[in-house]
Amino acid sequence: EADIYQTPRYLVIGTGKKITLECSQTMGHDKMYWYQQDPGMELHLIHYSYGVNSTEKGDLSSESTVSRIRTEHFPLTLESARPSHTSQYLCASSERGTVEKLFFGSGTQLSVL
Amino acid sequence: QKEVEQDPGPLSVPEGAIVSLNCTYSNSAFQYFMWYRQYSRKGPELLMYTYSSGNKEDGRFTAQVDKSSKYISLFIRDSQPSDSATYLCAMSPYNNNDMRFGAGTRLTVKP
Repeated sequence: EADIYQTPRYLVIGTGKKITLECSQTMGHDKMYWYQQDPGMELHLIHYSYGVNSTEKGDLSSESTVSRIRTEHFPLTLESARPSHTSQYLCASSERGTVEKLFFGSGTQLSVL
Repeated sequence: QKEVEQDPGPLSVPEGAIVSLNCTYSNSAFQYFMWYRQYSRKGPELLMYTYSSGNKEDGRFTAQVDKSSKYISLFIRDSQPSDSATYLCAMSPYNNNDMRFGAGTRLTVKP
């Protein structure tokens, strides 16, 4: 079944640790995105990719980095986690040329102690 | 001032009620208008989208866009407990990279 998967769903980690949030999609979409969502706040785009070897920063400044080595895989890495990184991280994908339809994963809730 | 304003609620209605959810925006370049539904501990899913002004109906859901007033609405008829979720409005000029989301309205439909 075509879908978009995020792991882990929940992550509690100590300050200073390196973490990687995984995102994979089986829909063959070219474009992928990472959004940050805090309670009661709007989604903010932190990274996006047009395709393999393409990565761009979004409009919300983030200390995270991303890579796109395969079409289906778009992991997000934090080299040194801090409490300010505590948030929900949502991965999404869309077909090239379609503005209206984003497909989201279920998210990773990150808590940094 | 935020580009997209959305009343966070919470909004609580009895089953069968008509629900009206709204967003206002300031950027006249927005051309694509979307409504996403987000259940607790899930990612948003696209519910409705409209290009430019006008109405669009899909079952119990109707989306309206009034570009002259910079105002969009989502109406839910015969609301059901399964409609209980957070509803996010979203809009974009032409590119998903510039999509802006509202903060979401939390809706509870009571049986």
